[in-house]
Amino acid sequence: SQQGEEDPQALSIQEGENATMNCSYKTSINNLQWYRQNSGRGLVHLILIRSNEREKHSGRLRVTLDTSKKSSSLLITASRAADTASYFCATDAGSNYQLIWGAGTKLIIKP
Amino acid sequence: DTAVSQTPKYLVTQMGNDKSIKCEQNLGHDTMYWYKQDSKKFLKIMFSYNNKELIINETVPNRFSPKSPDKAHLNLHINSLELGDSAVYFCASSQDRGLTEAFFGQGTRLTVV
Repeated sequence: SQQGEEDPQALSIQEGENATMNCSYKTSINNLQWYRQNSGRGLVHLILIRSNEREKHSGRLRVTLDTSKKSSSLLITASRAADTASYFCATDAGSNYQLIWGAGTKLIIKP
Repeated sequence: DTAVSQTPKYLVTQMGNDKSIKCEQNLGHDTMYWYKQDSKKFLKIMFSYNNKELIINETVPNRFSPKSPDKAHLNLHINSLELGDSAVYFCASSQDRGLTEAFFGQGTRLTVV
């Protein structure tokens, strides 16, 4: 079953602008992960944030987690054409040892 | 060296055929997965193996049978292929069952005609 829902489904911005994607989920989690998928390729792990963390940074990426609202956001600053991809959030399912995925946000960076 | 490699990358086959997709990881991970990604990009787990033992078997037709000869390999065999099986299938691995970072293969685009 799908737990994560990304918002927006698609986002098109100019190079250099910031891109923000959101993820909402339904049940309690241990951690939440963000992945990137370039067209025709496999998914690449970007960042993992644990349920007791509120914010995490990795290079131009900033992830926040609000467990009270069951939501997370991924901010990409100073976007580049190479950031064009689909971005997915994935949450664990507690003791079931599986990740549950959203449908992804398709990000297009216009040069 | 590719961390998680799966073959073939493309597979076009007729309905009713039997086909296999192979996956190998050289990361020394204990856990491997098969995912199906449909045309709307939804990613759904099919199977998960930990140290050659099946730990997740989601509701997939029993025409799909995973086989793990050792913990570095997890192959997917599909019998009596149907049109609805057309999708991209991804193999992935992670260090353990604790839902750490997952590493994905490049995917196998299966087209059933």
